[in-house]
Amino acid sequence: QSVLTQPPSVSGTPGQRVIISCSGSRSNLGNRYVYWYQQLPGMAPKLLIYANNQRPSGVPDRLSGSKSGTSASLAISGLRSEDEGDYYCTSWDDSLSTWVFGGGTKLTVL
Amino acid sequence: QITLKESGPTLVKPTQTLTLTCTFSGFSLSTSGLAVGWIRQPPGKAPEWLALIYWNDDKPYSPSLKSRLTVTKDTSKNEVVLRMTNMDPVDTATYYCAHYQTANHVGFDVWGQGTKVTVSS
Repeated sequence: QSVLTQPPSVSGTPGQRVIISCSGSRSNLGNRYVYWYQQLPGMAPKLLIYANNQRPSGVPDRLSGSKSGTSASLAISGLRSEDEGDYYCTSWDDSLSTWVFGGGTKLTVL
Repeated sequence: QITLKESGPTLVKPTQTLTLTCTFSGFSLSTSGLAVGWIRQPPGKAPEWLALIYWNDDKPYSPSLKSRLTVTKDTSKNEVVLRMTNMDPVDTATYYCAHYQTANHVGFDVWGQGTKVTVSS
């Protein structure tokens, strides 16, 4: 059971917009930033969003992050086949004194 | 360009101590605001944070694993070493090291390729 809750899977067709949610509590998302990672099969996680809604250089602007209260979301617009993979949210948890991760969401492009 | 690479044994026996080395380039761990973290990922599961070591030698550990973990740095060699004692089959995972920036709350922005560790007799 992960501290941060994500849907196990989401899917969409090319060009569509999909949203991946991440639900936490006051001790993590409520007080701290959320980060989003993409993991392709056999690869290391790649940072997509930091500090709730900031994109590292090289991450396209069709990806966006937001946070409200104890929930966060990652939106991917203009869905492409190369977006297929696993997506994880993470945040620091003040009560547990550890970085906590969501269970991951598998994105399928139909 | 920042790169990191993990190295160490692929197979360890139960009760043994695991020693992994993270060799990095493109930054110095003597630079204020920087750190190197260790994160592991069991097969088919989510990542799990293990430890961080900051430029000032501050070393926060995962509370659930703190008694088993030691992280050290050699700034001159651009290396960070993670030791985990009393290994168990549940510790089987891919172990990653990652560059961590405190500035602008960037977090773990560059990861190594990971090294797969199996714990089995």
